[in-house]
Amino acid sequence: GAVVSQHPSRVICKSGTSVKIECRSLDFQATTMFWYRQFPKKSLMLMATSNEGSKATYEQGVEKDKFLINHASLTLSTLTVTSAHPEDSSFYICSARPSGQGLAPLHFGNGTRLTVT
Amino acid sequence: QKEVEQNSGPLSVPEGAIASLNCTYSDRGSQSFFWYRQYSGKSPELIMFIYSNGDKEDGRFTAQLNKASQYVSLLIRDSQPSDSATYLCAVTPRLGGGGSNYKLTFGKGTLLTVNP
Repeated sequence: GAVVSQHPSRVICKSGTSVKIECRSLDFQATTMFWYRQFPKKSLMLMATSNEGSKATYEQGVEKDKFLINHASLTLSTLTVTSAHPEDSSFYICSARPSGQGLAPLHFGNGTRLTVT
Repeated sequence: QKEVEQNSGPLSVPEGAIASLNCTYSDRGSQSFFWYRQYSGKSPELIMFIYSNGDKEDGRFTAQLNKASQYVSLLIRDSQPSDSATYLCAVTPRLGGGGSNYKLTFGKGTLLTVNP
């Protein structure tokens, strides 16, 4: 149980374009989902907390206008990287836990490797 | 600032040995504790979680928690080359907004290498 699906797994885009990444909880509902970014050989960095039906909460230093988050339903959150630049190339990972289980483990999607050329 | 500290390693052990991974945390009110394994280029995978003081065993893995010392560890028995990965310690702090909003604070991970 507690499967998180993330799509696409890999994307290459040109500088200036936008890329949308989807995160779905397949067998549970998630009021909250978390988006992380990870650069090679670096630790996970929390970017934002996605909240169903309300605005996302961004971590300090993360540009909300560049990383648009929409949590449209209890099973789907999307991250859109707008006007992507090469420095946005990274590994983006979403995670979630069942609603109401605040102390339960987070389950991670398989990640999206973004390369901006 | 709530912190989770891990030795970055690398920790190198021979195949068949016990690997011991350690983690300390600063928030004394932390409530739940997790170990994730992350292979290079992959996303983290949950290995163990523990909520109460003491030991919790699952197969070759044992998580140990000592809240008084603010210390959590992971033991891997009969280590295999396939266990070679980065192990992330994560903690749920005392305050997190309630409901589903509890963020995890991650350590930077310990790289484990199991030599055949």
